[in-house]
Amino acid sequence: DAGVIQSPRHEVTEMGQEVTLRCKPISGHNSLFWYRQTMMRGLELLIYFNNNVPIDDSGMPEDRFSAKMPNASFSTLKIQPSEPRDSAVYFCASSRETGTGSPLHFGNGTRLTVT
Amino acid sequence: AQSVAQPEDQVKVAEGNPLTVKCTYSVSGNPYLFWYVQYPNRGLQFLLKYITGDNLVKGSYGFEAEFNKSQTSFHLKKPSALVSDSALYFCAVRDPFESGGYQKVTFGTGTKLQVIP
Repeated sequence: DAGVIQSPRHEVTEMGQEVTLRCKPISGHNSLFWYRQTMMRGLELLIYFNNNVPIDDSGMPEDRFSAKMPNASFSTLKIQPSEPRDSAVYFCASSRETGTGSPLHFGNGTRLTVT
Repeated sequence: AQSVAQPEDQVKVAEGNPLTVKCTYSVSGNPYLFWYVQYPNRGLQFLLKYITGDNLVKGSYGFEAEFNKSQTSFHLKKPSALVSDSALYFCAVRDPFESGGYQKVTFGTGTKLQVIP
């Protein structure tokens, strides 16, 4: 079990540039979550997918953020254009579907710095 | 709507002493409750969960948690703290009757545990 894999681990970019964060969930997991963590706001759920379908994107801050899950083994979170206030650690997590209280498995995150 | 509160931003305890990290929750039905730990520059790691049954749940690294329905609490405990337990701890709740049955997990704000040698 390789765990949830996120790339890149660190991303530094200039304001206005497009940023794409990538996530490979654990094989067999059918729920995928994107979270953002900052000192000020803690851990925020941005969006989650079930069976590759977005279920709840109410946490996506604004239209500059978009997420896709083209297949069961890959998801992206895109920010275009990026702004300094987007600087945070972005986590991807996956789990088996629900009903049994399956825990979330987190990747090690992408630390995004927008200058 | 489901919610979870961790009333302490930080907890300090001497090595070898028992530790408690507090968590209270609010849900409309019977909750699923979780504890996670986060070490620096890492993602959250699952420690333990309560779904149903025995109110005392045992998890990884010697941690345990007690579910108290009347107090709506799920405090994390360990009989003897280690310096290596120093980390950020998150409580989380899921109401299985909310969100149309889909898994929506709400996390607390986290408690920084510092174990002093």
